[in-house]
Amino acid sequence: DQQVKQNSPSLSVQEGRISILNCDYTNSMFDYFLWYKKYPAEGPTFLISISSIKDKNEDGRFTVFLNKSAKHLSLHIVPSQPGDSAVYFCAASPTTSGTYKYIFGTGTRLKVLA
Amino acid sequence: GAGVSQSPSNKVTEKGKDVELRCDPISGHTALYWYRQSLGQGLEFLIYFQGNSAPDKSGLPSDRFSAERTGGSVSTLTIQRTQQEDSAVYLCASSLGVGTAYGYTFGSGTRLTVV
Repeated sequence: DQQVKQNSPSLSVQEGRISILNCDYTNSMFDYFLWYKKYPAEGPTFLISISSIKDKNEDGRFTVFLNKSAKHLSLHIVPSQPGDSAVYFCAASPTTSGTYKYIFGTGTRLKVLA
Repeated sequence: GAGVSQSPSNKVTEKGKDVELRCDPISGHTALYWYRQSLGQGLEFLIYFQGNSAPDKSGLPSDRFSAERTGGSVSTLTIQRTQQEDSAVYLCASSLGVGTAYGYTFGSGTRLTVV
């Protein structure tokens, strides 16, 4: 049973436009969320996080939005650049567990077209 | 080292053989994690080490899987009598501590193919 779902396996966006990657979760105990980016043949690298006390966190071109009532989060990349082409994973954890174990989604492959 | 190092990067093995996958975490990182990613799946938690002990082994899929960590550093994930469903990318990560203030750093993974 997939507790963290990324329903879009792939997304193509024109350079300069906004990329929106979505993630849904089912476990109401999740209260800390992260996005990781993965290039081929490399390990995932941390991008941005958000805790459930916030509904938005911004870092440069990357903004994560959290809608707790809908159990939904999204990652916005503005403006999108060709170097952003990668697989993006969202991950979630209940901080009561000590936040050592993250449940990951299946990833969305973003392709930014020049 | 500067990052998390995993070896080998690729491993092809025959069904029924044993394999050992190695992870060398970032120096000083007390926490170490093993995940795997099967085709079309998300990253699946396997085991977590704090120092040399493994408080959570709940993700190990079967008793053919075991892991150890020695000297609070290098970890080895062993899969005995490999099966085709074990084919996956096995990722190791480490962190300075546990909690939201500490992020994971992942290695590049070991791609295991069981034929």
